[in-house]
Amino acid sequence: SAVISQKPSRDICQRGTSLTIQCQVDSQVTMMFWYRQQPGQSLTLIATANQGSEATYESGFVIDKFPISRPNLTFSTLTVSNMSPEDSSIYLCSVETPMNTEAFFGQGTRLTVV
Amino acid sequence: AQSVTQPDIHITVSEGASLELRCNYSYGATPYLFWYVQSPGQGLQLLLKYFSGDTLVQGIKGFEAEFKRSQSSFNLRKPSVHWSDAAEYFCAVGARGSGTYKYIFGTGTRLKVLA
Repeated sequence: SAVISQKPSRDICQRGTSLTIQCQVDSQVTMMFWYRQQPGQSLTLIATANQGSEATYESGFVIDKFPISRPNLTFSTLTVSNMSPEDSSIYLCSVETPMNTEAFFGQGTRLTVV
Repeated sequence: AQSVTQPDIHITVSEGASLELRCNYSYGATPYLFWYVQSPGQGLQLLLKYFSGDTLVQGIKGFEAEFKRSQSSFNLRKPSVHWSDAAEYFCAVGARGSGTYKYIFGTGTRLKVLA
């Protein structure tokens, strides 16, 4: 299994600003994923982050808006840039460990943009 | 295209009653199927998963799910619900590609438990 810590757990931000969310895993993992969960909706994959390479973004998500870093096998960040109220969501970090073939999730970051 | 449908947005049951949450999927091959639970303010916790073999899968907290290929379903069941089961439940299919999974989630079912 994997234990994932996300910071911050919640934040209220002004529109036009940026927020960086951190995801720390207690073991080395190959794949890290970032999801968005808009109010009352399901999870939507934003991007997949491999260590040492650029993130792969899903349709509808772009690097300029959601830049991702993956400096090592236990850490990743997601930045929500130039925020608007439509970015108010829960952002979740997830990992898949090689042996488990299942996804583990952080507790999420609840973002409110005012 | 792969998709997951959870037809019930909200379900309310009395404590001690049985529970069944429905999940239907669309996937071209044998799917990897998951049920996750999300309590308020928490991340997602895996309840159970199906990859192959016995189509009745046992999970944590007394939950089980049955894979029915003919119906493209993977319904979650519990014989007796506890108040602590109140949460949101997500069905997901894992589509393997490029060496890893891409998880596709259903829209979720919010469970309310009456005392």
